[in-house]
Amino acid sequence: EAGVAQSPRYKIIEKRQSVAFWCNPISGHATLYWYQQILGQGPKLLIQFQNNGVVDDSQLPKDRFSAERLKGVDSTLKIQPAKLEDSAVYLCASSLVPGSTDTQYFGPGTRLTVL
Amino acid sequence: AQSVTQLGSHVSVSEGALVLLRCNYSSSVPPYLFWYVQYPNQGLQLLLKYTSAATLVKGINGFEAEFKKSETSFHLTKPSAHMSDAAEYFCAVSRGGATNKLIFGTGTLLAVQP
Repeated sequence: EAGVAQSPRYKIIEKRQSVAFWCNPISGHATLYWYQQILGQGPKLLIQFQNNGVVDDSQLPKDRFSAERLKGVDSTLKIQPAKLEDSAVYLCASSLVPGSTDTQYFGPGTRLTVL
Repeated sequence: AQSVTQLGSHVSVSEGALVLLRCNYSSSVPPYLFWYVQYPNQGLQLLLKYTSAATLVKGINGFEAEFKKSETSFHLTKPSAHMSDAAEYFCAVSRGGATNKLIFGTGTLLAVQP
């Protein structure tokens, strides 16, 4: 079974530029999560999708971050414009069963450096 | 509000020694608790989870954790450390339900000395 795929693995941009990350969850997984992991901290949930609807985006900085999950499968996370404090690893995760303690499977992450 | 505290950002043990990584939680509702491991440049992998069944939970790679409600703890242990256990370990709490959001601790970096 293929795992959660993310691309790119690494991205370096200058502040005020825009960037986009892509995630392909495990086939059949209804729930998709985007987490932000700043160096020295644990991951923090940015947004959770249930199929193509948003369940929780309470910690997403909506003035600069946006995310979508078209057709309930792949997802993209965009930052525009980027700030220095956005430097982090962006992790995508997916789970099979919605609204439960079902295991979340994580991708390898995209490491973003904002200069 | 839920939160997790991991005591000790760095833990070093000798190969073959006991591994003990500490996690205390705060939750206003019965919690679900998780331990994840993260190897360098990789995503997080679930080691084990507590979902209100048995309080002693066994996971992969010989790890186990015990849920102690009276101490609000969920410490991770392994009887004998192996070099391959060197990684960062994260404890997380969730309340389940429609938004199965994981609240992570700050992590503990485990070093295993030969």
